Amino acid sequence: NAGVTQTPKFQVLKTGQSMTLQCAQDMNHEYMSWYRQDPGMGLRLIHYSVGAGITDQGEVPNGYNVSRSTTEDFPLRLLSAAPSQTSVYFCASVRAGGTYEQYFGPGTRLTVT
Amino acid sequence: AQRVTQPEKLLSVFKGAPVELKCNYSYSGSPELFWYVQYSRQRLQLLLRHISRESIKGFTADLNKGETSFHLKKPFAQEEDSAMYYCALITTSGSRLTFGEGTQLTVNP
Repeated sequence: NAGVTQTPKFQVLKTGQSMTLQCAQDMNHEYMSWYRQDPGMGLRLIHYSVGAGITDQGEVPNGYNVSRSTTEDFPLRLLSAAPSQTSVYFCASVRAGGTYEQYFGPGTRLTVT
Repeated sequence: AQRVTQPEKLLSVFKGAPVELKCNYSYSGSPELFWYVQYSRQRLQLLLRHISRESIKGFTADLNKGETSFHLKKPFAQEEDSAMYYCALITTSGSRLTFGEGTQLTVNP
């Protein structure tokens, strides 16, 4: 199993540009989440999903959209990038009803200039 | 609302010294707590969970409901323990994880 994969690993955007961060998991986990990691602020939840077709907002959802059309994929869209979205983004998945251990992807380092 | 606080952003100890990383939480329900670790240039991974009462890589953590704490301890720190450590609390449904701010541990030779 590949586990949780994310693409790209690095990305530089200009203010106002849009892009999609990809996340996929092959463990058939029901729950998936997106976090951003910023120094001194830990990881903050952006959006999460408890199953295909179901998404909900986390702590910091503004400026981001998600969709979950399949169990495997959970892309994160930046609609109009801003310098405040410069961060490292992590995707994670969890098997419902298990130990609730979150499996993380390797992260995407995004810089918005 | 649930909240996790890690009061120390940076912690530096010498090899062989005891280490304690502090974590406090607030949650109205029955908490389920975790410690995650991120080694340099690696993804986050689970270190231990309170419900399993296990010791991983010499680390232990005890849930103290009276003090609402879940401190991580190791009696003799090793250089390979240098990493970022996150305390986290999960909702009863298991769908949302709330992280603390993280503590960067450095173990000096």
